[in-house]
Amino acid sequence: DAKTTQPPSMDCAEGRAANLPCNHSTISGNEYVYWYRQIHSQGPQYIIHGLKNNETNEMASLIITEDRKSSTLILPHATLRDTAVYYCIVRVGANFGNEKLTFGTGTRLTIIP
Amino acid sequence: DAGVIQSPRHEVTEMGQEVTLRCKPISGHNSLFWYRQTMMRGLELLIYFNNNVPIDDSGMPEDRFSAKMPNASFSTLKIQPSEPRDSAVYFCASTRFSTSGIGGYTFGSGTRLTVV
Repeated sequence: DAKTTQPPSMDCAEGRAANLPCNHSTISGNEYVYWYRQIHSQGPQYIIHGLKNNETNEMASLIITEDRKSSTLILPHATLRDTAVYYCIVRVGANFGNEKLTFGTGTRLTIIP
Repeated sequence: DAGVIQSPRHEVTEMGQEVTLRCKPISGHNSLFWYRQTMMRGLELLIYFNNNVPIDDSGMPEDRFSAKMPNASFSTLKIQPSEPRDSAVYFCASTRFSTSGIGGYTFGSGTRLTVV
């Protein structure tokens, strides 16, 4: 699976949009971009994933550049509960026998009151 | 949906003792994963199963670790004998594989293991 690069930490003011970048310049055509987050002492939580089109759900939006070499996770109105470590992961999607997710070090997002 | 259920939540044991961690995946999910998390090494995949069959156990640190999935609703991770360096939070996760692409994994709340 392609490696990802994320900033180790970021701050964002409460109520503002949090934009978390991820670089995945070696991504292959069949690899998806996944985002998870881990709030302190809890298990990781799935947020969103995409292949090449932008995606939006009730939690966040995922913007993938046209060349797919980078992406941005957007939390539109950050709250204190969004303080967590955010992981960007790229991996092959539907490939039976290769479903594993490999977590990097992620970005520690702190929402400031 | 009760989510992925892990037990116990906390385990403190003495070095050399056998430890068994348990996981009940979400009903209908056919892939199950065991991860370990420490400050030094982050989240590491230990082993995963598809349809109760172990697919990749390359992350299992050594022969002291073993995992089983006797049926679709239950899995165990056993450490025998345990050592202080096994102290970590162990997470279980499950997902339903589909040929159209894999969605998100659901993680349990974890078991915090302390070996003294």
